Amino acid sequence: DVVMTQTPPSLSVAIGQSVSISCKSSQSLVASDKNTYLNWLLQSPGRSPKRLIYQVSKLDSGVPDRFSGSGSEKDFTLKISRVEAEDLGVYYCLQGTHLPRTFGGGTKLELK
Amino acid sequence: EVQLQESGPGLVKPSQSLSLTCSVTGYSITSSYRWNWIRKFPGNKLEWMGYINSAGSTNYNPSLKSRISITRDTSKNQFFLQVNSVTTEDTATYYCARWGTRDYWGQGVMVTVSS
Repeated sequence: DVVMTQTPPSLSVAIGQSVSISCKSSQSLVASDKNTYLNWLLQSPGRSPKRLIYQVSKLDSGVPDRFSGSGSEKDFTLKISRVEAEDLGVYYCLQGTHLPRTFGGGTKLELK
Repeated sequence: EVQLQESGPGLVKPSQSLSLTCSVTGYSITSSYRWNWIRKFPGNKLEWMGYINSAGSTNYNPSLKSRISITRDTSKNQFFLQVNSVTTEDTATYYCARWGTRDYWGQGVMVTVSS
């Protein structure tokens, strides 16, 4: 299985601050079709997970452009510029290139 | 709008089977996409369990392969999860989801395995 190592496990931030979350995979996530299937999800308190970014850097509809994704091969980053209260929760990376699909361990974003 | 909703018992005894239903509205499960089951353990860990695709083929997480079955009822636009021989380690919140051009998740159902 592809192991997704996500850091840090938690972040304490002030509103308006920018943060980055790292996700490293044990294998390349470049698929045979040349796409890289790395997603970022957010689970807000009391809610189901929701995808924010797919294929490394593509924002889902309705996701603010304060969110951005970058990276390639085995090393990926989610950046949130100017954190807002609605951004709090647990962030996960998810690889969709290999079976079984695997998630990172999560990063809990909390208010300082 | 596509909607998914999980249902099933919230409490299962050890060694018994866990059976959940995902009811889908707004899209036919036979049209396209893979229809997934995912679970979240106490704490933050998420595990992909498997999927059934629009043609009815399945793929399971090898960690569960001997205990899991995903089936469907196309007439009711539902798909199902069965996990056999459960232990307390199967206590989790279970989600069904459609992943694709847009992601859709159910609200989740909490299942506790306890005698």
